[in-house]
Amino acid sequence: NAGVTQTPKFQVLKTGQSMTLQCAQDMNHEYMSWYRQDPGMGLRLIHYSVGAGITDQGEVPNGYNVSRSTTEDFPLRLLSAAPSQTSVYFCASNRARTSTEAFFGQGTRLTVV
Amino acid sequence: KQEVTQIPAALSVPEGENLVLNCSFTDSAIYNLQWFRQDPGKGLTSLLLIQSSQREQTSGRLNASLDKSSGRSTLYIAASQPGDSATYLCAVLYGNNRLAFGKGNQVVVIP
Repeated sequence: NAGVTQTPKFQVLKTGQSMTLQCAQDMNHEYMSWYRQDPGMGLRLIHYSVGAGITDQGEVPNGYNVSRSTTEDFPLRLLSAAPSQTSVYFCASNRARTSTEAFFGQGTRLTVV
Repeated sequence: KQEVTQIPAALSVPEGENLVLNCSFTDSAIYNLQWFRQDPGKGLTSLLLIQSSQREQTSGRLNASLDKSSGRSTLYIAASQPGDSATYLCAVLYGNNRLAFGKGNQVVVIP
């Protein structure tokens, strides 16, 4: 049982480049979300999805796009990378609002130069 | 907006002492509270989940309490070991399935 899988683990981008961070879960969870973790800031919610075809913005959505075409996948797109997006990104999933625990991927460490 | 605070931000204890980590949140309308462990450069590992209707949860040397009305949770780690050195994160699930995190308690257990 793989749980939540994120790829890549590490990435270096040049300013202005675009890329997609992949996230997949095999637990048939309805809810998926993306967080970024920065020193001194804790984890902050970027975007989340309550099911296939439904997404919404979190606390820090600017510069990021998401879509949810399947239950399993929730990719995060950076359209034009900026140095301020240098961070560690975590994807999480959990079942619908039945107070079950959230599962996290191992993270993607992104550096924008 | 839900805000989560963890105190102290960092602490060091000698091996064998009990650890007490505190978490407070501003809005008591939560579904659950979860404690995570994070090692340097790694992901989040779930330690304990406390439902909003529960007062405490235990797993081995770990015990977490929840006082929802006062917006507080405490994580106790008994007889600390050097392997317990890590950052401990508290998170509350609220609203439309949103998780709000504290900034963490960075723990060092000295052999």
